[in-house]
Amino acid sequence: DAGITQSPRHKVTETGTPVTLRCHQTENHRYMYWYRQDPGHGLRLIHYSYGVKDTDKGEVSDGYSVSRSKTEDFLLTLESATSSQTSVYFCAISEYGTGVDEQFFGPGTRLTVL
Amino acid sequence: KQEVTQIPAALSVPEGENLVLNCSFTDSAIYNLQWFRQDPGKGLTSLLLIQSSQREQTSGRLNASLDKSSGRSTLYIAASQPGDSATYLCAVTSGGYNKLIFGAGTRLAVHP
Repeated sequence: DAGITQSPRHKVTETGTPVTLRCHQTENHRYMYWYRQDPGHGLRLIHYSYGVKDTDKGEVSDGYSVSRSKTEDFLLTLESATSSQTSVYFCAISEYGTGVDEQFFGPGTRLTVL
Repeated sequence: KQEVTQIPAALSVPEGENLVLNCSFTDSAIYNLQWFRQDPGKGLTSLLLIQSSQREQTSGRLNASLDKSSGRSTLYIAASQPGDSATYLCAVTSGGYNKLIFGAGTRLAVHP
């Protein structure tokens, strides 16, 4: 398995509180991604990163921000959590452009916003 | 806007059957297509990746084909086993940076 960990694995929080999810990789891959998975919607891209301090928005970025200060860490922040952000969040990594384009996924974080 | 559809949404088969899962996409300008497996409450496991220049990839009992011009891919599972029970997800790259657009998945149950 690719060396990807996510923390926390489970979190329950209240509406209006800030939440930060962490993705950590040991593969030294350049590209990192945050997706959310919801019933009926499959997985949708929130934000992605193509290098340290290089990030961009995905399909469902409203209400989320990201930061990447080191190759190995990609943080997803919900500035003020809402019930619509209750979901399972997955981090992924890839070495796109090097001939190894597969994306490898972390175990996920289940977030519940009450 | 790229859209990915997977049919059927759910499938139940007896052990030993050969089966085909379907994936279709609306924009043929893809870089690659990836098939994943997801067990309940778990993350995604990559099964096969097909580059846009390729027609198929094989891994053990799995064979994935790609017809980019018609916007279709199929995942063929030979001699299905109960351990194959899971949700199978298809995803295509769209818009550079290897960003994935996912289908909603096919939930497969293989019963003894």
